[in-house]
Amino acid sequence: GENVEQHPSTLSVQEGDSAVIKCTYSDSASNYFPWYKQELGKGPQLIIDIRSNVGEKKDQRIAVTLNKTAKHFSLHITETQPEDSAVYFCAASGNQFYFGTGTSLTVIP
Amino acid sequence: NAGVTQTPKFRVLKTGQSMTLLCAQDMNHEYMYWYRQDPGMGLRLIHYSVGEGTTAKGEVPDGYNVSRLKKQNFLLGLESAAPSQTSVYFCASSYPGGPRNEQFFGPGTRLTVL
Repeated sequence: GENVEQHPSTLSVQEGDSAVIKCTYSDSASNYFPWYKQELGKGPQLIIDIRSNVGEKKDQRIAVTLNKTAKHFSLHITETQPEDSAVYFCAASGNQFYFGTGTSLTVIP
Repeated sequence: NAGVTQTPKFRVLKTGQSMTLLCAQDMNHEYMYWYRQDPGMGLRLIHYSVGEGTTAKGEVPDGYNVSRLKKQNFLLGLESAAPSQTSVYFCASSYPGGPRNEQFFGPGTRLTVL
């Protein structure tokens, strides 16, 4: 099956700085790569996704990049705010979703 | 529109007891999923369903059973609970496009097995 690795496991940034989270995957058949945000005590919620025929996608302060050749994709959050503090999960999907182990992001005011 | 709801929110079991977790969605989604979330391990798929009356095994199915008798409900059963099943359980559903589309998650059920 698919193997998704996510780094770092924890990340602290000052408010206004950028945050980058990276994931790698193993199965070249995976073609859909969503990112989920999980706030304390809640279920994960989709924040952005990218398909394998696209190299980059941006939505306001959030962007995702995909390198199919290297089998890695990244989440970029610019101008971070305290409300961005949460756990972020990447996932790779072919027939099933395979999630990374999560990154706990803390934005320090 | 409640989205995905899960019952109960919390539960404590003794080893060997059984229980059923209920997931309900009101979005008319074909696909439904059960995940478990453990510290440092992310979300792992237990079982999933691609439609009413169908179920399939995911990554970690042992010790669990599921049923999808109605399109809007997906039940997860533990026949004989073990401490290793202590976890937070999330249900999710998605559009007919299947796993290549957004999954909507419920709020989770925190289960402790003593």
